[in-house]
Amino acid sequence: DAGVTQSPTHLIKTRGQQVTLRCSPKSGHDTVSWYQQALGQGPQFIFQYYEEEERQRGNFPDRFSGHQYPNYSSELNVNALLLGDSALYLCASSSRTSGGVREFFGPGTRLTVL
Amino acid sequence: AQSVTQPDIHITVSEGASLELRCNYSYGATPYLFWYVQSPGQGLQLLLKYFSGDTLVQGIKGFEAEFKRSQSSFNLRKPSVHWSDAAEYFCAIDTGRRALTFGSGTRLQVQP
Repeated sequence: DAGVTQSPTHLIKTRGQQVTLRCSPKSGHDTVSWYQQALGQGPQFIFQYYEEEERQRGNFPDRFSGHQYPNYSSELNVNALLLGDSALYLCASSSRTSGGVREFFGPGTRLTVL
Repeated sequence: AQSVTQPDIHITVSEGASLELRCNYSYGATPYLFWYVQSPGQGLQLLLKYFSGDTLVQGIKGFEAEFKRSQSSFNLRKPSVHWSDAAEYFCAIDTGRRALTFGSGTRLQVQP
């Protein structure tokens, strides 16, 4: 079992550009959540996808959007990048059929905006 | 809105010494409670979780945590710290929305 995988590992962009980050959930998981972790901070919830729809959303602007595919993999898109978007982006997967929250996290994608 | 406070930004302990990391939460009811560990360049690994029942929870790597409803706390403990425990530790809650709210973390250093 490969666990949660994310790509790419690192990414450098400039202000105003757009970026797409990808996540494959752990085998058997159908729910994907995305978190942003700024340097020295705890992760902040961006949004969650289940059955190809956004189910929960944190306090992030519309520049942050996502998608979930039928195979449960997911993408996070960020438009009009700002310097403040530089962070570690973490993907977490879980199964709706299991009780409570049992999220497994991927290693993250480090985004640097110059 | 809910929140999680980890009052200690940085803690240093000697190898073999005991450890307690503090976590307090703010929420109108009892949330689901979690502790995660993050090593440099790594994702988050779940150490333990509390949903209900026994308020003393055992986790992996010899860690345990105690939920105290009266204090809205969920402190993490380990009787004897190993050098490999050096990492960042995050307390988190879920209020039933299936989304985690994290504290700002406590960085643990272990002295030989």
